Amino acid sequence: DVVMTQSPLSLPVTLGQPASISCRSSHSLVHGDGNTYLNWFQQRPGQSPKRLIYKVSDRDSGVPDRFSGSGSGTDFTLKISRVEAEDVGVYFCLQATRWPPTFGQGTKVEIK
Amino acid sequence: EVQLLESGGGLVQPGGSLRLSCAASGFTFSSHDMSWVRQAPGKGLEWVSGISGRNGSTSYVDSVKGRFIISRDTSDNTLYLQMNSLRAEDTAIYYCAKGYWCDDWGQGTLVTVSS
Repeated sequence: DVVMTQSPLSLPVTLGQPASISCRSSHSLVHGDGNTYLNWFQQRPGQSPKRLIYKVSDRDSGVPDRFSGSGSGTDFTLKISRVEAEDVGVYFCLQATRWPPTFGQGTKVEIK
Repeated sequence: EVQLLESGGGLVQPGGSLRLSCAASGFTFSSHDMSWVRQAPGKGLEWVSGISGRNGSTSYVDSVKGRFIISRDTSDNTLYLQMNSLRAEDTAIYYCAKGYWCDDWGQGTLVTVSS
């Protein structure tokens, strides 16, 4: 199975400051169809996960543009340009290129 | 609006069985892949099983193969997960999700395996 490794696992941030989360895969996530199926999810405390980004960098409808995704191959990043209080929670990456789909361990974002 | 509503969780003894349901609405259920994902208490997410919208083929993570069965009823837009021979390590919140990419998620249902 593809192993997804996130870092850091804990990320204290100051309101209004940027934040960056890394997700590295054990195998290339480029699919035979040319797409890279790497998604990012946000899980606020007590809630179910919500997808923010799909195919590396496409933002889901309604997701603020302060969230952005980038990367290629085995190395991916989720960035929050200016952290707001509502961004507190755990962020997960998911690869769906190779079977079975696998998640990263999660990165807990909290306010300093 | 996509809605996914899980039910069927509860407390079960080791070795017991449970069937989870997920009522889907707001999209064409019959043509979409569907997944079950679980989250053990305080832990991360684990994709457990999926079913193809195209041909109904099923897939499972190794730890549940031979014990869990995913199925769907397209006449009433419901996804199921039959869980047999349950173990303590199956204790988790179980979410159903639209697609293998997990586009949308339900609120989850808690399964506790304990004597």
